[in-house]
Amino acid sequence: QQQVKQSPQSLIVQKGGISIINCAYENTAFDYFPWYQQFPGKGPALLIAIRPDVSEKKEGRFTISFNKSAKQFSLHIMDSQPGDSATYFCAAMDEGATNKLIFGTGTLLAVQP
Amino acid sequence: DTGVSQNPRHKITKRGQNVTFRCDPISEHNRLYWYRQTLGQGPEFLTYFQNEAQLEKSRLLSDRFSAERPKGSFSTLEIQRTEQGDSAMYLCASSLVVSGSANEQFFGPGTRLTVL
Repeated sequence: QQQVKQSPQSLIVQKGGISIINCAYENTAFDYFPWYQQFPGKGPALLIAIRPDVSEKKEGRFTISFNKSAKQFSLHIMDSQPGDSATYFCAAMDEGATNKLIFGTGTLLAVQP
Repeated sequence: DTGVSQNPRHKITKRGQNVTFRCDPISEHNRLYWYRQTLGQGPEFLTYFQNEAQLEKSRLLSDRFSAERPKGSFSTLEIQRTEQGDSAMYLCASSLVVSGSANEQFFGPGTRLTVL
């Protein structure tokens, strides 16, 4: 029940295309869903986050879509750029509990010029 | 730089040796977390502090691991009698929790541990 499943494991997108990464969770107590971006040798950096009271959140080229009934959420990167090439992790948290993040296994994104 | 800092950035040690890592959180943040990340995986929770109190420890944190946050500011993570399976990136994160509402966790650059 604590797992967060992420797919795909890797993704290749052409410059200017849309990158889509999907995550699913089981624990209905989760109420905070962030996405992190990680470059090699660096720590994860918070990209965007959503709570279940909204179905979509957009910040610049990054959008989270959230489906509470399906217990799924996804990250969309519009107009993907080579600089977006990194590993992306979804995560989930029960804010009323310990606030520890449960991470997905990551998606390695390569944006080809 | 006002972000989370970690030292050292890299540590190579021989099996059986003890190692200690330090984390300096963002100054006003009251919560501090330790995670471990192995190659190709997402970070896994180890433990967290609310100010100086250690409130939860994962089952991943064996008796050889100990963490402290003595004055509610910086934290140390010590691994005794290191094993090759301890090789990983050790990540520290901090957040400001106000009135029970959690805010974002900000991660440091990590300490890469290699046990030979």
